[in-house]
Amino acid sequence: RKEVEQDPGPFNVPEGATVAFNCTYSNSASQSFFWYRQDCRKEPKLLMSVYSSGNEDGRFTAQLNRASQYISLLIRDSKLSDSATYLCVVNSRPGNTPLVFGKGTRLSVIA
Amino acid sequence: ETGVTQTPRHLVMGMTNKKSLKCEQHLGHNAMYWYKQSAKKPLELMFVYSLEERVENNSVPSRFSPECPNSSHLFLHLHTLQPEDSALYLCASSQDLGGSYGYTFGSGTRLTVV
Repeated sequence: RKEVEQDPGPFNVPEGATVAFNCTYSNSASQSFFWYRQDCRKEPKLLMSVYSSGNEDGRFTAQLNRASQYISLLIRDSKLSDSATYLCVVNSRPGNTPLVFGKGTRLSVIA
Repeated sequence: ETGVTQTPRHLVMGMTNKKSLKCEQHLGHNAMYWYKQSAKKPLELMFVYSLEERVENNSVPSRFSPECPNSSHLFLHLHTLQPEDSALYLCASSQDLGGSYGYTFGSGTRLTVV
């Protein structure tokens, strides 16, 4: 299993749709999980941290499944402005080491 | 200023030039990073500094030379680059090396080598 793996997409969805992304990770001891958003030709920005109990921020819900070693991001009522690449980020290596960024899942929300 | 600031925002340089990219963070973070992102490609980690000490160097060619004079500043010195080095260069910082609270990125320097 790769350190961090995401479906690259693209996911093309109509406005108002619900879309979900999954990301698998290899190190069962990982403790830190994040979703970042990156717009075209811009820097990645933290969208939300992912907690063991799951967390929600408006239309966005993130969940962690330790047993199956994956995290998910659910976007409800998609907006055109949600079009971006979503990066899964995990502290996937043992010890005090840098975070590992997934290659990203591209989302296009269509009018 | 707050956050992570990178200068210049855009840079065009010839293959024989020498230039430097600058990154400054005002967050009191202890770790700083250089990433390269080529067009439509994923992030590539280049260098990692923790408390001003280089802790990771991911097989980056010697034409890229990092410098971390203090915990707030990070430089990337460039010389005799190749056209394939054209990319977005991103600096990031984090409170600790493990990134327990995530990373904060600068806006990047878009480099074109001609």
